[in-house]
Amino acid sequence: QLQLQASGPGLVKTSETLSLTCTVSGASLDNHEFSWGWIRQPPGKGLEWIGNIYNNGSIFYKPSLKSRVAIVVDASKNQFSLKLQSATVTDTAVYYCALARYYYGSGALAFDVWGQSTMVSVSS
Amino acid sequence: YELTQPPSVSVSPGQTARISCSGNALPDQFAYWYQQKPGQAPLLIIYKDTERPSGIPARFSGSSSGTTVTLTISGVQAEDEADYYCQSADISGVYEIFGGGTKLTVL
Repeated sequence: QLQLQASGPGLVKTSETLSLTCTVSGASLDNHEFSWGWIRQPPGKGLEWIGNIYNNGSIFYKPSLKSRVAIVVDASKNQFSLKLQSATVTDTAVYYCALARYYYGSGALAFDVWGQSTMVSVSS
Repeated sequence: YELTQPPSVSVSPGQTARISCSGNALPDQFAYWYQQKPGQAPLLIIYKDTERPSGIPARFSGSSSGTTVTLTISGVQAEDEADYYCQSADISGVYEIFGGGTKLTVL
């Protein structure tokens, strides 16, 4: 059964780096059918796409976060990670990792399987 | 680039709810719909504009016309009360985006 589990510190100090890991079971990160992504949701607000990584090495980030964010795959551990530098209080959110599928004829991804989330609070 | 949804929709049980999502790139990119209940992760309920994943009740359907896609819930049930999000990509197909979400209230 395909499962994803996000994990990481629940509290990050402002200006420090927010680091999260998503552990995948039931699927290989090498599977070319999938892309792997991060989405977040500030308390009481909507969903915000952060970025996706493809197994051909392509990585795409939300433009407004691009200067601070990195997504990295560790295939040996079947994990992928999120690093968000210079954290601010506006980065406080529930963070989700997700498996995404892409379909011929459109670049838009379907976030098919969502992991158990992790709440991160950023505070001084 | 934005996807625009109404903030809220209210219907009585058994009625039909329609939630719209507008965006200039929707004629060129597939749209997806998610249902999110409090404290839960979003659930994909419509993919490729109109397709329904296995296990999703048939009362959920999607349609597309020009720059607007619509989620229709026929015969709304109390358990359908949730937040609904559309999602697609910009014209380049590279950057994903979610609509602001619509809170469906079942009266």
